[in-house]
Amino acid sequence: DAGVIQSPRHEVTEMGQEVTLRCKPISGHDYLFWYRQTMMRGLELLIYFNNNVPIDDSGMPEDRFSAKMPNASFSTLKIQPSEPRDSAVYFCASSWIRGDNEQFFGPGTRLTVL
Amino acid sequence: KNEVEQSPQNLTAQEGEFITINCSYSVGISALHWLQQHPGGGIVSLFMLSSGKKKHGRLIATINIQEKHSSLHITASHPRDSAVYICAVIKDFGNEKLTFGTGTRLTIIP
Repeated sequence: DAGVIQSPRHEVTEMGQEVTLRCKPISGHDYLFWYRQTMMRGLELLIYFNNNVPIDDSGMPEDRFSAKMPNASFSTLKIQPSEPRDSAVYFCASSWIRGDNEQFFGPGTRLTVL
Repeated sequence: KNEVEQSPQNLTAQEGEFITINCSYSVGISALHWLQQHPGGGIVSLFMLSSGKKKHGRLIATINIQEKHSSLHITASHPRDSAVYICAVIKDFGNEKLTFGTGTRLTIIP
């Protein structure tokens, strides 16, 4: 398996633009997580899905952020409009519940908002 | 005050030394994870613990639920172990949300 795939790996955009980050989880996994990592706040969970259904979105910072999972093999995290404080590395991870609950992380998308 | 505290924040050691990284938490948990973040940024899950001890190669993780404390040990440390080690807890049964510590940056000198 190729592991969790994220695209793009790097994104530079200007304030006010819409940004869409994409994630393909590992086939067969039924949980998908979106995380954000910054120097100031470290790693934070934004939202997670179970069987394509959002379970906990309490970490989504504000209405400018939205996440969808239209099917088991694809999820998006959208920021509209983007702001410089959204600059961070965004990780997607997936897992399945079978004892270990190990989460497999994607390589991350480094977002810079100018 | 963070719900998950790690110590030390930074640790530098010589190759071959025995390493201990500590994690204390102030909330009830259902499980605790140890993660490793490589210098290039990639994150790997090392262990998930709900009780006792787990071992994988040179890595050992322990947890004491009563004391709300976990430790990650590395035996015979090697420069390739240099990374940031992150402790994270799951606070609620049935909710997979992770709450993270701030990480411990480990540097192993040859």
